Amino acid sequence: EPEVTQTPSHQVTQMGQEVILRCVPISNHLYFYWYRQILGQKVEFLVSFYNNEISEKSEIFDDQFSVERPDGSNFTLKIRSTKLEDSAMYFCAGRLEGTYNSPLHFGNGTRLTVT
Amino acid sequence: DAKTTQPPSMDCAEGRAANLPCNHSTISGNEYVYWYRQIHSQGPQYIIHGLKNNETNEMASLIITEDRKSSTLILPHATLRDTAVYYCIVRVASEGGSQGNLIFGKGTKLSVKP
Repeated sequence: EPEVTQTPSHQVTQMGQEVILRCVPISNHLYFYWYRQILGQKVEFLVSFYNNEISEKSEIFDDQFSVERPDGSNFTLKIRSTKLEDSAMYFCAGRLEGTYNSPLHFGNGTRLTVT
Repeated sequence: DAKTTQPPSMDCAEGRAANLPCNHSTISGNEYVYWYRQIHSQGPQYIIHGLKNNETNEMASLIITEDRKSSTLILPHATLRDTAVYYCIVRVASEGGSQGNLIFGKGTKLSVKP
């Protein structure tokens, strides 16, 4: 069964550094999402992306965050200047177009640790 | 905020059926009920979804009450590997990424015991 693949599985960075988290969605998915989960807390929506533009974003997704799908396959989340509070698991998800009730399928996440 | 209410935790004996309840009394006519689970900080795993009819797949069954205000996820023969946090989520089903988002609550932590 096809899977959503996220790399790296664990990223350690220093405060103020830029990080890029990568996701390879399932090939026939056309809607894409990023979520995050701070340790011990709920899974939180960050942003949704369709047709090469952001569809919706949460309050968490401020100017420090950006997303893109530069080559039609990888879907990336960039954090421009990381803060300690950005430490979390980041999950990428995708879903099919054309079936209005299609479920989201998630990757296994990237654990980001900001020191 | 999540539009569902779930018990924070449940126990189930291995091999028995696990019945996980969910209350969604304010559900709208065009909202589906989705169930996901999360095993120890892995990515949320899709289980099943439904609108008003009961649904069954290889993982579980979903029973939705006639008034659609509550539902139950049934794992027919729970195993130790089913120990996870189970999330019940209602979502408007339509085209467009903006209405495809899932809003997660705290879920039910199911512990399957030998």
